[in-house]
Amino acid sequence: SQQGEEDPQALSIQEGENATMNCSYKTSINNLQWYRQNSGRGLVHLILIRSNEREKHSGRLRVTLDTSKKSSSLLITASRAADTASYFCATRSDFFQSSGDKLTFGTGTRLAVRP
Amino acid sequence: DTEVTQTPKHLVMGMTNKKSLKCEQHMGHRAMYWYKQKAKKPPELMFVYSYEKLSINESVPSRFSPECPNSSLLNLHLHALQPEDSALYLCASSQESAASGDEQYFGPGTRLTVT
Repeated sequence: SQQGEEDPQALSIQEGENATMNCSYKTSINNLQWYRQNSGRGLVHLILIRSNEREKHSGRLRVTLDTSKKSSSLLITASRAADTASYFCATRSDFFQSSGDKLTFGTGTRLAVRP
Repeated sequence: DTEVTQTPKHLVMGMTNKKSLKCEQHMGHRAMYWYKQKAKKPPELMFVYSYEKLSINESVPSRFSPECPNSSLLNLHLHALQPEDSALYLCASSQESAASGDEQYFGPGTRLTVT
């Protein structure tokens, strides 16, 4: 089963509006990452927030992390048509991993930005 | 060079065929990954290689056989696949830092159809 659940599953907004996506997870994490995927293509890393951080910004992106609620949110401000994509959160477990970096992806939010 | 390349882009194969998917990166990353993604679903981890050694196998059927010939290359050998194996196969790479976790760089994927 997937670690993360995202909501909403789908979101349609007008260009210029803000978009907020939420992610919940179940176990302790080392970090949480957000990725974007354009239709049928590879994923692009957006931002990484560590378990001891509460908020992080990158350009028009703002990510928050609440480890007590095991949840994160991604805010995209002043959205553009080019932001249309699927957005996934991915968590890295807090348990020691000897090698490699196992990420567990959430179910994803499909964002459509209307011009 | 921050690119992960994958070949072929598309592959159609019969259930008795043997084929291989290829992935290459020249970022000096020491961890490489194979994911499987079905339509409108999140990526699911299949294999992780760390320093050219298989470190994680997520109970993947033996008809999928990974290989890491060197630190830049990752192959996925396919044999006797089933129609339900049709999916987008994504390769990714990351720096090897098990303690802190890193972002993963994804290739564009191979769209596999099994007939």
